[in-house]
Formats: sequence, C-alpha cells, structure tokens
Amino acid sequence: GAVVSQHPSWVICKSGTSVKIECRSLDFQATTMFWYRQFPKQSLMLMATSNEGSKATYEQGVEKDKFLINHASLTLSTLTVTSAHPEDSSFYICSAKWGYEQYFGPGTRLTVT
Amino acid sequence: SQQGEEDPQALSIQEGENATMNCSYKTSINNLQWYRQNSGRGLVHLILIRSNEREKHSGRLRVTLDTSKKSSSLLITASRAADTASYFCATDRTGANSKLTFGKGITLSVRP
Repeated sequence: GAVVSQHPSWVICKSGTSVKIECRSLDFQATTMFWYRQFPKQSLMLMATSNEGSKATYEQGVEKDKFLINHASLTLSTLTVTSAHPEDSSFYICSAKWGYEQYFGPGTRLTVT
Repeated sequence: SQQGEEDPQALSIQEGENATMNCSYKTSINNLQWYRQNSGRGLVHLILIRSNEREKHSGRLRVTLDTSKKSSSLLITASRAADTASYFCATDRTGANSKLTFGKGITLSVRP
C-alpha cells in the first residue's frame, strides 16, 4: 500500500525559532500533497495544497510567510513554521494524493515553549 | 469551513454491538471518504464511496451514501475494543481539485 512518512514525529522548540517538518511518499510519486493542522479534540483543517514544482496554494486565513511550504520533488514536501509561537503548537499532518485517495502521514506534534 | 458534520459526536457501545455513525454535508461531491484516527496518531483510510455509488462494504464496514439527502453512514458490525478511535468523514467536493474537507469527527468507545 501507499505509505507516507513524516519527520520528526514530535518536536519541541523555543518561541521565535523555526521548525521544518518533512513529508515523504515512500513508495509512490505524489504531484500533490496537502498539509493539515489539528488542535486537540478537533478536526483536521486544511492549511495548504502543495504541488510539485510550483507555489503552494494556501487556505484562507493561513499566513504563507509563516508557514513556508516547499515541494521540491515528487516524493518530498516540507513545511517550515517560521518564528514559532506557543499558539502554533498543534498536530501537523500531511497527506499525499495517489489516484482518488489521499494517504496520510503519522503526524508531527509541535510544541512551542 | 467544515463541510461534513458527523453525528453523534460521541458514541459508547459494548463490544460485539454494531456502531452506526452518520455524516451530512452541504455541497456536491465527487466522493466521500471515512477515516479512523487513534489518539495522537495519523489518519487511516477506511473506505471511499463515489457519488454514483449507494453502498459499499469492506470487511466489517458498511458505508451508504444518499446524495439526495447529502448524507452518509458508516456501520461497523460486531465492534471490538480495538475499534475505539475517532472517525471522520471527508468530502471531495466537485470542482475543489481533490481537496478533502473533514467533519468534526465522532469519538467511538467500545467497552470490552
């Protein structure tokens, strides 16, 4: 089956620093990847759509300068949370599209202190 | 904004019983998908039903789709304690370039 990995699985950083999260499709190529954020006991909210070789498309209300997305290859997309603040603490999940379905990574727990 | 709305929001049943979860949505869709999420983990894709399908089965799962009512149901038969998780429906809306919109989720607890 299609497997998507994320790295790191959890990260703690100080307020004001930047954090990079990687999303990889391990056994398929994904021209489109998606980044979601999930707060405790809430649903997934789409942040942006990442297309290989082009700029990401951000959802309304998501700051593109704060959440930098790069999709440099067909198997890798990265999300960089710049100048992180405690309110950015959340569970970040990526997914990669293959055919009609999206395959989700295991998520990255970000805690900003 | 969220497209899907599941009900109930929380469901507690005894092992062996069936669990039925419902999802309603607002706009035209290409397909509707159900996912499971164990606490603190990523999502596991359970089943996809296309807009021209009415019912689909996968193991102990049965999904129905009523596009006239814009609703779907997920039935888990003969539930097990391991089925305890949060369940989300997600819609792939027509013309939305395959962006999935998730509902708020249902927390299912299966008591052993």
